[in-house]
Amino acid sequence: SYVLTQPPSVSVAPGQTARITCGGNNIGSKSVHWYQQKPGQAPVLVVYDDSDRPSGIPERFSGSNSGNTATLTISRVEAGDEADYYCQVWDSSSDHQDVVFGGGTKLTVL
Amino acid sequence: QVQLVESGGGVVQPGGSLRLSCAASGFTFSSYGMHWVRQAPGKGLEWVAFIRYDGSNKYYADSVKGRFTISRDNSKNTLYLQMNSLRAEDTAVYYCAKSLFQLQWLPFDIWGQGTMVTVSS
Repeated sequence: SYVLTQPPSVSVAPGQTARITCGGNNIGSKSVHWYQQKPGQAPVLVVYDDSDRPSGIPERFSGSNSGNTATLTISRVEAGDEADYYCQVWDSSSDHQDVVFGGGTKLTVL
Repeated sequence: QVQLVESGGGVVQPGGSLRLSCAASGFTFSSYGMHWVRQAPGKGLEWVAFIRYDGSNKYYADSVKGRFTISRDNSKNTLYLQMNSLRAEDTAVYYCAKSLFQLQWLPFDIWGQGTMVTVSS
């Protein structure tokens, strides 16, 4: 089965840029989606199809995807961005369909 | 507004059964695929099951295949998850989620608030 690898934690100072990676075999050939989850809350979609933003998500959130790594970039980080972030892809073949999540990355704002 | 509200969680003994419900409102429920996703305490997200907008196709994670059944009643705008032969490792918050696009599985644009399922003797 397809595996997505995320760093367990990323720390950044307010106002700086946070980059959260999501590694997978030839992930650049897949569409990657990113979710933000704050404690006790349901996940929220922040980036989809590698780099699109849903309405209501600040432009500070952006994404890229190439080769074996997808990246969620959060510019001008704020205290309110502290959360867990998950990447997601759809993995399909002739004999199975699967939704795969990365293990999650805890973003700490110093 | 667009909303998903889960119910039916609780404490159940190993080997027992439970049925979760997810009531949808604010969008045309019958036009979108729907998912169940779970999250064990302190752990990450795990996809559980998907059902097409018309209920014609259903897919499951290997960890629940043969034990869980996803279904929907478009006349009631409600999604279900029948969980049988429950195990301790099924303990989690269960979320229902809506596909953003009508004909694609991903991404999920709307999530419910979750319902807790605890499997314990």
